[in-house]
This record gives sequence, structure tokens and C-alpha cells, in this order.
Amino acid sequence: AQSVTQLGSHVSVSEGALVLLRCNYSSSVPPYLFWYVQYPNQGLQLLLKYTSAATLVKGINGFEAEFKKSETSFHLTKPSAHMSDAAEYFCAVSDLGMDSSYKLIFGSGTRLLVRP
Amino acid sequence: EAQVTQNPRYLITVTGKKLTVTCSQNMNHEYMSWYRQDPGLGLRQIYYSMNVEVTDKGDVPEGYKVSRKEKRNFPLILESPSPNQTSLYFCASSVHGTEFNNEQFFGPGTRLTVL
Repeated sequence: AQSVTQLGSHVSVSEGALVLLRCNYSSSVPPYLFWYVQYPNQGLQLLLKYTSAATLVKGINGFEAEFKKSETSFHLTKPSAHMSDAAEYFCAVSDLGMDSSYKLIFGSGTRLLVRP
Repeated sequence: EAQVTQNPRYLITVTGKKLTVTCSQNMNHEYMSWYRQDPGLGLRQIYYSMNVEVTDKGDVPEGYKVSRKEKRNFPLILESPSPNQTSLYFCASSVHGTEFNNEQFFGPGTRLTVL
């Protein structure tokens, strides 16, 4: 079974600083990876996804993630944090089930705090 | 507007009192799913549905039921809620369940408290 691990349940950065949220995956086959964001009192929204077309994936709101097979990582970055980036971020992997359906396996989430 | 809606958004109930959380999507998606979100555990799948009248268990199905009589609706039923089902619940949908890169669209969540 596939899994994802997010290091750090909370990350705090100053406004304008680099954002780095870590995600490592465990997969015996090429993984299909996603980052979702959850703003307060809202559902999850797709930030970006990796599906093997390119190792550097650009998403919405200035976020990007780099797939590194040698490190089994898919870390999320943003060069300059904005107050509106404060949210919870989830890394997820698409897992193939017995009935040929794909489901998302989520990491435990990282809450990003942005200090003024 | 394309969306997934859930009702109610907040619910406080007592142990053993049957409840239903509704989920509806207007995107003609085949695949729908229910998740629960608990601190430190991320989201875990409860049940999913590949299409009308096709449902299956996810990772944490105990104590829950679902039905898929229409394509747009996928209600979550708790026949006899218990305090350990206190959680934040999300409904999600995607075009197909058989494509690895399908984006899932999430509802706004239902916060359930069972006393």
C-alpha cells in the first residue's frame, strides 16, 4: 500500500520568507502525487499534481513542487509567503484499489502560519 | 457554479440518534467519496461510489452506511452514532474513479459532534 509522510505538523514563516512544506512518499510503482490546501472552514482545494510529465510542477497561487525519485520526495515551495497562504496543506498519493479504482491517500497535514 | 454541497455544516447530536449527512454535486461526476478528518491523521476514506448503485468500503467504514440512488447525491448515514464518530466529514467527487490523475472536488465539510 502506498503512503505519504508530511514532516512537521506546524510550520511558521514570516511574511515574504520562503515556504517549504515537506512530503515523502512510499510507493513501489510510479506515484501520482497531489498537494491540496484547506483554508479555514473550507473544503480542500487542489494546488497542484504530479503525473510524470515534468518533475517540477507549478500550481496555483505561486506554489510549486519538485518530484525527486531518488529522495522519494515531493516538497511544496513558494518563494515568498503571503498572509493569505495561512492554511493547512495536505500531500496525497493516488492509490490503485482491487476494483481498479483510484483513491487518495492523505498525509497528516501541515498547518502553515504566516507571521506579519 | 460547479460545486459539491453538504448539509448540514454543523451538527451536534446524542449517542444512538440516527442521522444523515447529505452530499450533492452538480458536475455529473461518476465517482463520489466520503472522508473523515481527524487531527494528526489527515483524511481517511469512509466509503466511495464508482457510479449509481455501486458503492464500496474505504479504510474506515465501521458505523457508517451510504447509498447512491442518483448520480448527483451520495448521503452518509450514521445509524447509531457514537462519540468516536465526532469528526469533520468531507464529501468529494471526481469525473471517474478509474483515472489516476483525476482531481477530486471537495465539499465545505460537516462538523459532527456526538455527545
